[in-house]
Amino acid sequence: NAGVTQTPKFRVLKTGQSMTLLCAQDMNHEYMYWYRQDPGMGLRLIHYSVGEGTTAKGEVPDGYNVSRLKKQNFLLGLESAAPSQTSVYFCASSDPGTGNTEAFFGQGTRLTVV
Amino acid sequence: AQSVTQPDIHITVSEGASLELRCNYSYGATPYLFWYVQSPGQGLQLLLKYFSGDTLVQGIKGFEAEFKRSQSSFNLRKPSVHWSDAAEYFCAVVLYSSASKIIFGSGTRLSIRP
Repeated sequence: NAGVTQTPKFRVLKTGQSMTLLCAQDMNHEYMYWYRQDPGMGLRLIHYSVGEGTTAKGEVPDGYNVSRLKKQNFLLGLESAAPSQTSVYFCASSDPGTGNTEAFFGQGTRLTVV
Repeated sequence: AQSVTQPDIHITVSEGASLELRCNYSYGATPYLFWYVQSPGQGLQLLLKYFSGDTLVQGIKGFEAEFKRSQSSFNLRKPSVHWSDAAEYFCAVVLYSSASKIIFGSGTRLSIRP
């Protein structure tokens, strides 16, 4: 009963490096989200997707790109990491069309950019 | 602008005391409303949700929340807290008629006094 799985769980990057965070869900959900969590700021929406092949910007999209080539996967890319992107990243999914309006979350990825 | 406000950053209550965490939203229509809990180093777990109907909803772990349309509020309550309730609590809203984004408040950290 995996639910939402994020890979990796921890990562340290140097400024300017690139990386991709992977989110996989096995619940056949249509909607997927990427959030970042910073102290005192709650969760802020980076990008989201309402279906395979679609993506949209959230509140804080700058410096990130996403892709949803397969329904079960949602990738978050950092092309050139900056210290301001040090954060905990959460992926979530939901499926309002089948009544699953709440978001189901992964365990998070702690990213440090030095 | 649409927003979710949790006015209390940090609350400390004694074990066995009652608890109320505040959440206010600003949307033109009644959104879907959620409360999540996050234990240290963990992802977010859904406590309860409200879509329509009875304005007092019951959740897991003995929590309940009351929707008050006139006050645009969805406050979380528990009659008697336990030390294990120490965590961060997030209110969230989604208005599926507009872009399907799930928006979170900034969170309230709950500490329990022995």
